[in-house]
Amino acid sequence: AQSVTQLGSHVSVSEGALVLLRCNYSSSVPPYLFWYVQYPNQGLQLLLKYTSAATLVKGINGFEAEFKKSETSFHLTKPSAHMSDAAEYFCAVRGGATNKLIFGTGTLLAVQP
Amino acid sequence: ETGVTQSPTHLIKTRGQQVTLRCSSQSGHNTVSWYQQALGQGPQFIFQYYREEENGRGNFPPRFSGLQFPNYSSELNVNALELDDSALYLCASSYLPGQKVYNEQFFGPGTRLTVL
Repeated sequence: AQSVTQLGSHVSVSEGALVLLRCNYSSSVPPYLFWYVQYPNQGLQLLLKYTSAATLVKGINGFEAEFKKSETSFHLTKPSAHMSDAAEYFCAVRGGATNKLIFGTGTLLAVQP
Repeated sequence: ETGVTQSPTHLIKTRGQQVTLRCSSQSGHNTVSWYQQALGQGPQFIFQYYREEENGRGNFPPRFSGLQFPNYSSELNVNALELDDSALYLCASSYLPGQKVYNEQFFGPGTRLTVL
């Protein structure tokens, strides 16, 4: 079975600082992994995805994530946080040979001025 | 190109009532998935419809049912509402060339259901 675990339900950074949001996965098959962002009272927007191509994946808004099989991790990073990055971030894995997504519990990112 | 839309945006019901939520998929998409997002939690997969047939179901009781129409829009019906059904209900559409492949899902803004 597939699952993801997000470490840290709340992360606070200063504007301009590095953003690091952690995600570890468990999968019995080569995983498809995703990061989504959710702004207040809105749906989910895809930031980036890993589907077994390059292990370093670049997404929108300056975010990137690295797939590390040895560590079963897919952490999300951004070199310099912006106030507009404040939102909730969800890591997700494809549910086996299906089209469903299995989400983590989310990390709320706060950006301090 | 119109994105995924959902209606209504907010809904208040009382325990025991029934509710129908609606989703219009993005143009060209043939698959709709429904997710329940309780407060402070990640979305949980309810079920998916592919070309008007159910194509996978999560761990939800039978009182959660759905429908997909020939234009690929979809409804989520919940009978005998319980307090724990209070959540944001998200639908996502995608185009699948086959039943067992994966393709990007595009999410709607959600319907906020409150059960009193």
